[in-house]
Amino acid sequence: GAGVSQTPSNKVTEKGKYVELRCDPISGHTALYWYRQSLGQGPEFLIYFQGTGAADDSGLPNDRFFAVRPEGSVSTLKIQRTERGDSAVYLCASSLTGGAVYEQFFGPGTRLTVL
Amino acid sequence: EDQVTQSPEALRLQEGESSSLNCSYTVSGLRGLFWYRQDPGKGPEFLFTLYSAGEEKEKERLKATLTKKESFLHITAPKPEDSATYLCAVRFGTSYGKLTFGQGTILTVHP
Repeated sequence: GAGVSQTPSNKVTEKGKYVELRCDPISGHTALYWYRQSLGQGPEFLIYFQGTGAADDSGLPNDRFFAVRPEGSVSTLKIQRTERGDSAVYLCASSLTGGAVYEQFFGPGTRLTVL
Repeated sequence: EDQVTQSPEALRLQEGESSSLNCSYTVSGLRGLFWYRQDPGKGPEFLFTLYSAGEEKEKERLKATLTKKESFLHITAPKPEDSATYLCAVRFGTSYGKLTFGQGTILTVHP
């Protein structure tokens, strides 16, 4: 596709459950990013992949959060034992490669609601 | 502490009434300042990147400028379709991937 796609668009789960959120980056983009956006706030960085490896995971809030990108394209953000505070829009972005000069292009996000 | 602050939080304009949004930052080693537009229920849409003080970029009714401590997004003769949240973000230091965002300015343009 032409842009970054994310599935599902909405996810409702119960406290304590496990969820997976998927991101398909723009074709040819080697860098991929995950952010989380709470209502009325700007996006908050979670993790950055360059190829298959996590180049910076300093934004992951705790060990319940984990992300993979096994083939250097699609990425999955995994959240274990979800808590109500995890409710937010999870945004994925990609760029041609990592580094300061490349713009990040965002997907539409997955709205996660933890009941 | 590294910070990005946007002002005002919300701005209401009449169609054709020009104004500016502000993004101030306190970071070390700025490597780029980015402006995005975000419509309700959608992801941020890239507008501009600025790298050094004095740089300016324009797109239609929008013009972005950068100084050593802040950036302005000037909106000339806005139209209702310019209504959106405008986000500013910075990349700094050795954080080649991470963008640090401000909280955004909600712009409403009335016809």
